[in-house]
Amino acid sequence: EAGVVQSPRYKIIEKKQPVAFWCNPISGHNTLYWYLQNLGQGPELLIRYENEEAVDDSQLPKDRFSAERLKGVDSTLKIQPAELGDSAVYLCASSSTGYEQYFGPGTRLTVT
Amino acid sequence: AQRVTQPEKLLSVFKGAPVELKCNYSYSGSPELFWYVQYSRQRLQLLLRHISRESIKGFTADLNKGETSFHLKKPFAQEEDSAMYYCALSAGFGNEKLTFGTGTRLTIIP
Repeated sequence: EAGVVQSPRYKIIEKKQPVAFWCNPISGHNTLYWYLQNLGQGPELLIRYENEEAVDDSQLPKDRFSAERLKGVDSTLKIQPAELGDSAVYLCASSSTGYEQYFGPGTRLTVT
Repeated sequence: AQRVTQPEKLLSVFKGAPVELKCNYSYSGSPELFWYVQYSRQRLQLLLRHISRESIKGFTADLNKGETSFHLKKPFAQEEDSAMYYCALSAGFGNEKLTFGTGTRLTIIP
């Protein structure tokens, strides 16, 4: 079992450019989360999906961030346009029961 | 609002000494509390959750609702315990979001 898969692992872009992150959850996990982790901080939830429905996106900055989970499996998180302050690690996690979330390795974004 | 506080960013302990990582929370309801750990070059993973009352890798944590604390303890530290530890809170049962603390980096001194 590969666990939660994320790509790319690292991304460097210039400000104002778009960027997209991809996540494939553990097979059979209906719940998918995107977290943002700034340096020296714990992860903070951006959006939570139950199957293909976004059930909690209250922390997602909708002016520049968007996400989708078509067919209720893999998911894409997009930023357009990126700002310097978006430099962080973007974590994807999945869960079947809610009692344990399984995290991916994260995507480290650097905006220059 | 939910809040998790980990007052120590860094903690160094000698091998064989007791370890205690502090966690305090703020939540008006009945929370679920968790400890997640991230070892060097590995992904974040669940260490233990209060509802299971398990001891994992020698670690235990007791939920103290009076003091709103969920401190992580181990009687004898081992070198492989060096890692980043995050306390996290969930608002209830089901696939709720986790609210994380800022983490404590534990270093075990040989």
